[in-house]
Amino acid sequence: DAGVIQSPRHEVTEMGQEVTLRCKPISGHNSLFWYRQTMMRGLELLIYFNNNVPIDDSGMPEDRFSAKMPNASFSTLKIQPSEPRDSAVYFCASSSQTGGEQYFGPGTRLTVT
Amino acid sequence: EDKVVQSPLSLVVHEGDTVTLNCSYEVTNFRSLLWYKQEKKAPTFLFMLTSSGIEKKSGRLSSILDKKELFSILNITATQTGDSAIYLCAVIVQAGTALIFGKGTTLSVSS
Repeated sequence: DAGVIQSPRHEVTEMGQEVTLRCKPISGHNSLFWYRQTMMRGLELLIYFNNNVPIDDSGMPEDRFSAKMPNASFSTLKIQPSEPRDSAVYFCASSSQTGGEQYFGPGTRLTVT
Repeated sequence: EDKVVQSPLSLVVHEGDTVTLNCSYEVTNFRSLLWYKQEKKAPTFLFMLTSSGIEKKSGRLSSILDKKELFSILNITATQTGDSAIYLCAVIVQAGTALIFGKGTTLSVSS
């Protein structure tokens, strides 16, 4: 199994630009999670999906952030417009619906200048 | 508000030492507690604990949960430089829901 796949691995963009992060969960996993990690705040949940349906987006910081999961094998996290304070590592994780273990992708390191 | 607190925030030890990392939690509807190790990349899963008093072991690492006192410990014996990492504790409050993470303990093992 290839594990959770994220792209791009690194993204550098200018303030105001749109950024789209992509995630492919482990095949067969029904839950998908987007996290953000910074030195100051640690790992924070942004949003998660069960069976492609968004369940809890209370961690999404602002309307500038949006996430979709059009099918069981793909999800996107979009930031529009991006700001320097969005700079962080964004992780996608997946788990089987009844299990507790979450498997993390390699992360996307986003830098907004 | 649900919260997970880890201590110490950082720790420096010499190779061969034994370390104990702590994780306490205050959550509603506790289901499981998980430990992850994060080196330079993504967190990797170590243990999942659901029942009190049952120790889980993997090589030099072991962990146990106390659901009465609401904490868990992660022990690493005979530490090696490869154990240097951030150790994250997280709690699940309901199946299929997100993890609530602590801030992590940064462990540095010097040779």
